[in-house]
Amino acid sequence: EIVLTQSPGTLSLSPGERATLSCRASQSVSSNYLAWYQHKPGLATRLLIFGASRRATGIPDRFSGSGSETDFTLTITRLEPEDFAVYYCQQYGGSPLITFGQGTRLEIK
Amino acid sequence: QVQLQQWGAGLLKPSETLSLTCIVYGGSFSGYYWSWIRQPPGKGLEWIGKINHSGSTNYNPSLKSRVTLSVDTSKNQFSLKLSSVIAADTAVYYCARTEPYSYYYMDVWGKGTTVTVSS
Repeated sequence: EIVLTQSPGTLSLSPGERATLSCRASQSVSSNYLAWYQHKPGLATRLLIFGASRRATGIPDRFSGSGSETDFTLTITRLEPEDFAVYYCQQYGGSPLITFGQGTRLEIK
Repeated sequence: QVQLQQWGAGLLKPSETLSLTCIVYGGSFSGYYWSWIRQPPGKGLEWIGKINHSGSTNYNPSLKSRVTLSVDTSKNQFSLKLSSVIAADTAVYYCARTEPYSYYYMDVWGKGTTVTVSS
């Protein structure tokens, strides 16, 4: 199983600041198969990034993804109030085919 | 705009079978895989399995013995059955559209169904 470990568990920042979220894989992950999601209670989970660095349709350019092999990063520049949520990384490959990180909670400081 | 609407029983007793259905509004049904994911209280997301329009499936090995996924292409629906539920199956269950060619991301999600297993 490819285990994804996200850090930090909770990130406390203010609107306008920059957020850097980490996702570390226990084995190498193809960059094609690394995605990031935003989750807010009661709302549909939102795809932000796929292929490690490709923004999904309609995602603002303040969201960016980078990384390769075992280390991936989601960066949010200039945090907006609506960005405070839980973020998950996800990979495809191995067994089980799809696994998620445990999430990073981005909260308002 | 593609939307997923899901429904099913929210309260089960141990040993019963969980049954959820997700209907796809808009977009292609045959061009994607369709996944189920769950989130137990206070925990992260766990992928349960995926199915395509022809019924080809992949399951999480940890749940494979109890999970059955099915599709009804005439209704643009897909379903999850989880047998012999226990308290640890208490979770919010989500359905999601899964890209099937190059990236395997989930770009459209249902809003989730809370399922509680309790005697």
